[in-house]
Amino acid sequence: DSGVTQTPKHLITATGQRVTLRCSPRSGDLSVYWYQQSLDQGLQFLIQYYNGEERAKGNILERFSAQQFPDLHSELNLSSLELGDSALYFCASSAVQTGGLNSPLHFGNGTRLTVT
Amino acid sequence: AQKITQTQPGMFVQEKEAVTLDCTYDTSDPSYGLFWYKQPSSGEMIFLIYQGSYDQQNATEGRYSLNFQKARKSANLVISASQLGDSAMYFCAMREGGGSNYKLTFGKGTLLTVNP
Repeated sequence: DSGVTQTPKHLITATGQRVTLRCSPRSGDLSVYWYQQSLDQGLQFLIQYYNGEERAKGNILERFSAQQFPDLHSELNLSSLELGDSALYFCASSAVQTGGLNSPLHFGNGTRLTVT
Repeated sequence: AQKITQTQPGMFVQEKEAVTLDCTYDTSDPSYGLFWYKQPSSGEMIFLIYQGSYDQQNATEGRYSLNFQKARKSANLVISASQLGDSAMYFCAMREGGGSNYKLTFGKGTLLTVNP
């Protein structure tokens, strides 16, 4: 058990809809990362938050947004969903943000999103 | 250009034998870290081993070792005495030290199948 909790485990929704994925990082971890895993694109970095502030953006669509709350949990909001958004969405956390080259990301079990 | 290249989409190994999974990387940053993760069919991402760019010795963690050849920019994972439970996707990832972005960039992965 990585200590990172993601809910829900599975989500099935229709095109055009909006969903929210939730992540609770490991106790004490200030950094949260969101990744999207699909068969054709592999593991793609979406966005990183550190202690409530956005720190880095990757290949995140404008239809997607995220935030990290004061209690450090994070939410990823996906709107105007398309079939191509079907993927496994991972949240990960790490202990340090700077100077922590050797700090691994600890991943949650992911949310499997299916858009029909 | 791909930052992380895993050239073996699939590998097969007999139980109890050793196997090497290849990973090459591309960076101009002198400070970086290399990680390997395992993803079983159940989907979770499990951190296996870490190698820093300044580490003098190859990293080892139990049956996992990392064959780090800095001049060749390769960081191959060696699994000794393979077990059936080692059957999974294996991902190589890199974190670069420059800037404030501490994301991991992942390769496409290698699917390892351990045969009895």
